[in-house]
Amino acid sequence: GAGVSQSPSNKVTEKGKDVELRCDPISGHTALYWYRQSLGQGLEFLIYFQGNSAPDKSGLPSDRFSAERTGGSVSTLTIQRTQQEDSAVYLCASSARTSGRGEQYFGPGTRLTVT
Amino acid sequence: GENVEQHPSTLSVQEGDSAVIKCTYSDSASNYFPWYKQELGKGPQLIIDIRSNVGEKKDQRIAVTLNKTAKHFSLHITETQPEDSAVYFCAVQEWDSWGKLQFGAGTQVVVTP
Repeated sequence: GAGVSQSPSNKVTEKGKDVELRCDPISGHTALYWYRQSLGQGLEFLIYFQGNSAPDKSGLPSDRFSAERTGGSVSTLTIQRTQQEDSAVYLCASSARTSGRGEQYFGPGTRLTVT
Repeated sequence: GENVEQHPSTLSVQEGDSAVIKCTYSDSASNYFPWYKQELGKGPQLIIDIRSNVGEKKDQRIAVTLNKTAKHFSLHITETQPEDSAVYFCAVQEWDSWGKLQFGAGTQVVVTP
């Protein structure tokens, strides 16, 4: 079946511009996560959505970062006034478990480059 | 919060030999331990996982062992093949974190023919 999809696959933007990154989770998965992977680094948790519950935003690095999930499916991560340190691969994952605990399946990521 | 350390950072093995990657964690309440394989330009792929009530799990050439007392777990790849070359990440799920994973820094595995 279809996996997690993300768009765009690559995004180059100028410093100070806003960007939107999209994630389509696996159909039926109720939990959705955003992670960030800087060059040569491990993955850093950003935000978590579970059903209609309030999201866990504890990993967002600044108030320039926000995310929403519409209709319990598609999610958009928005970065306002981008900075060069925002350059990274942004990964989305989804999970079928209603508790959010357990197997997470990742999309291919969006590579963001801020010039 | 949880702290995950992964070793080694790079691992070079001859085709057919075994590879072992080890991770340690700090929070004794953590209870789910997946391993991911990431190939260049792709997202991480879940290859095997283990829960805290199990000591070992195998799936063909890969296995994971967990020592909850010592708070470490390891990935074992036997009969390595060139297609096993990738970056491998361990992760830990904290019981009270609503599912977020804390990742190790990754191990670059190179299998030479």
